Amino acid sequence: AQRVTQPEKLLSVFKGAPVELKCNYSYSGSPELFWYVQYSRQRLQLLLRHISRESIKGFTADLNKGETSFHLKKPFAQEEDSAMYYCALRSHTGKLIFGQGTTLQVKP
Amino acid sequence: EAQVTQNPRYLITVTGKKLTVTCSQNMNHEYMSWYRQDPGLGLRQIYYSMNVEVTDKGDVPEGYKVSRKEKRNFPLILESPSPNQTSLYFCASSLLIAGANVLTFGAGSRLTVL
Repeated sequence: AQRVTQPEKLLSVFKGAPVELKCNYSYSGSPELFWYVQYSRQRLQLLLRHISRESIKGFTADLNKGETSFHLKKPFAQEEDSAMYYCALRSHTGKLIFGQGTTLQVKP
Repeated sequence: EAQVTQNPRYLITVTGKKLTVTCSQNMNHEYMSWYRQDPGLGLRQIYYSMNVEVTDKGDVPEGYKVSRKEKRNFPLILESPSPNQTSLYFCASSLLIAGANVLTFGAGSRLTVL
C-alpha cells in the first residue's frame, strides 16, 4: 500500500537550532517526493521536491531509498520557518498522497 | 494570474441541505483533487480526477460527490451534509508531466455543518 508517514505532529525548537522533520514512505516503485508548506493564513505551496535536489529557504531533503525516507532538514531554524509541513508522494498513476503533517514551531 | 479559485470561502449550513463548493483553475491542468484538512489528521484526499470525465475516490470519499465535465472545473458536492463534514476544504490542480507536476492549491473553503 502507498503510504506517507510523518511521525511527529509537533516539533518545537529554538531559533538557531537544527531542524529535522521526518518523513517515511511506503511505495513499491520509484516515487516522486515533495515537501509542501503552509504558513499561517497562506495557501499550501511547494517547498521542494527530490528530483530538483535544490535548497529552498535553507531547507534540504535527501531521498534515502534504503530507509524509504525523505527527511527535511535545516541547519539553523528561523522564526519565519514556523508553519505546517507536509510530505507528499506522487505515484506512477499520478495520484498524490500526503502525510499527516508536522507543525514546526520555532521559538525566539 | 495562474490560480485555483474556490467558492465559497466560508459557509455555515444545516444538516441535510445540499451544497456545492466550486473549484476552477485557469492553467489547463489535467489533475484536480479535493482534500479536507482536520486538526491532527492532516490533509486527506476526498476525490481526484486525472482528466475530463475521469474521477476516482481518494481516502475519504463517503458523503461526497464530484464531477469533471470540463477541464477547468471540479465541483465538490455534499448531497446531505452532516456535522462530521465540518472541515477546511482545499482544491488543488497540477499537470501530470513528471517535473512539472507540482500542485497549485486554492485558498480553502471553511465549511461548518450545524
